[in-house]
Amino acid sequence: DQQVKQNSPSLSVQEGRISILNCDYTNSMFDYFLWYKKYPAEGPTFLISISSIKDKNEDGRFTVFLNKSAKHLSLHIVPSQPGDSAVYFCAAMADSGAGSYQLTFGKGTKLSVIP
Amino acid sequence: DTAVSQTPKYLVTQMGNDKSIKCEQNLGHDTMYWYKQDSKKFLKIMFSYNNKELIINETVPNRFSPKSPDKAHLNLHINSLELGDSAVYFCASSQDFWREGFQETQYFGPGTRLLVL
Repeated sequence: DQQVKQNSPSLSVQEGRISILNCDYTNSMFDYFLWYKKYPAEGPTFLISISSIKDKNEDGRFTVFLNKSAKHLSLHIVPSQPGDSAVYFCAAMADSGAGSYQLTFGKGTKLSVIP
Repeated sequence: DTAVSQTPKYLVTQMGNDKSIKCEQNLGHDTMYWYKQDSKKFLKIMFSYNNKELIINETVPNRFSPKSPDKAHLNLHINSLELGDSAVYFCASSQDFWREGFQETQYFGPGTRLLVL
């Protein structure tokens, strides 16, 4: 049962254009969402996050949009750069009770930015 | 029974000291993690440890060192503590290693609130 779905395993975008990575979730208890980026042979690095009380969060070239009614979030990268080529993981956090949390990651989308 | 436990829950210490945070998971998971949550609630991964393989996030200062005596434990040692180390540190575990093509759920401990004075 996939609670966090990244339906596109890969995405290719021309340099300078917008990259849009999508993520859908099923668990309405998720209240915090994060995006991580991972290069080959390296650990994942935090990119940007959004709380469920917001619908948009922006940090430089990266913007995350959250549509709670549709249970959908997306990461926009504008303009895309070759260095953005990596695997992007969507993650969603829920309170599992007793002050603990669960963080569920999607399967990732491999972004290739073509020079 | 707590699935992922951390001790201590609160840690107040002086700059320059060396401290450790302990983490234990009783879920039988193969992978454990340390995260740092800063004042803006960003949850940044510091280390992930899958069986005998340790993956270090390169933004982590080498004053931070994880130590895993066995699969159920991943302790975090911090040397020469600095003011900027003040944060909440979370330990987490998952059945397998978080990687492309696989959905993975990580289970978090309650966090350790570190305050460096």
